[in-house]
Amino acid sequence: DQQVKQNSPSLSVQEGRISILNCDYTNSMFDYFLWYKKYPAEGPTFLISISSIKDKNEDGRFTVFLNKSAKHLSLHIVPSQPGDSAVYFCAASAFPQGGSEKLVFGKGMKLTVNP
Amino acid sequence: EPEVTQTPSHQVTQMGQEVILRCVPISNHLYFYWYRQILGQKVEFLVSFYNNEISEKSEIFDDQFSVERPDGSNFTLKIRSTKLEDSAMYFCASSEGRAVTEAFFGQGTRLTVV
Repeated sequence: DQQVKQNSPSLSVQEGRISILNCDYTNSMFDYFLWYKKYPAEGPTFLISISSIKDKNEDGRFTVFLNKSAKHLSLHIVPSQPGDSAVYFCAASAFPQGGSEKLVFGKGMKLTVNP
Repeated sequence: EPEVTQTPSHQVTQMGQEVILRCVPISNHLYFYWYRQILGQKVEFLVSFYNNEISEKSEIFDDQFSVERPDGSNFTLKIRSTKLEDSAMYFCASSEGRAVTEAFFGQGTRLTVV
């Protein structure tokens, strides 16, 4: 039951270029979307989020875009830096509309930024 | 910066044994969670806990699992009789408010059942 899908397992980009990470979801009850970054041997770290009432949220080099009609969101990192190399998880929550507060995660995408 | 801490970082146990995974959430947080990630798979929700009771649990969280906040600072996950398929990385998380909009995760406990 893949309610949140990250179809590309990995992405490799050059330092300074844009990284675009994609995520699709199937549950129309999802109300909040988050991106987490995870380094090896560490827990997921919150990066940026977006509410379903918005279509864009920006925080420094990170921007998340939400297309509700397509049930698609993307994370843009500009410019990409070698320290951004990590596994990125897309996650969604059906709270409050769906009443469930749990996070549903995608499988993750490994981003490698080459110097 | 406040953080969620988990102990131990790695636990090896024999099948059928009980294990307790420990977590110290961020002090002013009120909502607590356990997630797990089986190797190569996605992070999965297990349970959420608020006001000293379970607020939501997944189908994974069966009678073999229990959670407790014994002393106001620790938050524990107990697996009564471990199975091989319980081998995973277990993450504790906490958040200030509901909806896990910005839940903070611990570094995880790797549980290996042999």
